[in-house]
Amino acid sequence: KNEVEQSPQNLTAQEGEFITINCSYSVGISALHWLQQHPGGGIVSLFMLSSGKKKHGRLIATINIQEKHSSLHITASHPRDSAVYICAVIDGGATNKLIFGTGTLLAVQP
Amino acid sequence: GAVVSQHPSRVICKSGTSVKIECRSLDFQATTMFWYRQFPKKSLMLMATSNEGSKATYEQGVEKDKFLINHASLTLSTLTVTSAHPEDSSFYICSAEGPSTDTQYFGPGTRLTVL
Repeated sequence: KNEVEQSPQNLTAQEGEFITINCSYSVGISALHWLQQHPGGGIVSLFMLSSGKKKHGRLIATINIQEKHSSLHITASHPRDSAVYICAVIDGGATNKLIFGTGTLLAVQP
Repeated sequence: GAVVSQHPSRVICKSGTSVKIECRSLDFQATTMFWYRQFPKKSLMLMATSNEGSKATYEQGVEKDKFLINHASLTLSTLTVTSAHPEDSSFYICSAEGPSTDTQYFGPGTRLTVL
């Protein structure tokens, strides 16, 4: 079993839909990243959070430390949101290593 | 925001040659950089942690002599794939630890193809 699990693995949505991607982890963490990887390969960090909720534009990320669960929401989805979304947790130990989920491939159709 | 660059973005080489990939933090100093490898449709796999001025820490199963890492300055880490073989073909991504140690900034990646 992976230390970081994401669901769903694949998601197809229609433009305008509200999208939720979930991340559950089983290790102690100091923080969690939501990353976006476009087909070209480059990775962008969307959020880094250790508690509560953050919002940036149409993106919202929440985390529940007690339940070891985080969600990424996209409101009013658009085809340009199509990408792989990766949840990565920062090891709560001294190394600050990132442990990655397997990613969610999102396709938003016009 | 903080920017990390990688060079080259894409390289094709013959089997047996060595390839050097550079990772630079452009607007901040990074004591620690990380090197990852990503196979198609797979998640990133940490290869090694690069610390400025000291030897890199390699993950289990990663050959130190195969993947040479040098972090000679606070803005530059290099990964050299020595005697490359087709199975080394992959997407290599670096990240740099920002001023806040729980933030990492990712490079755009380097696509290596070994013929």
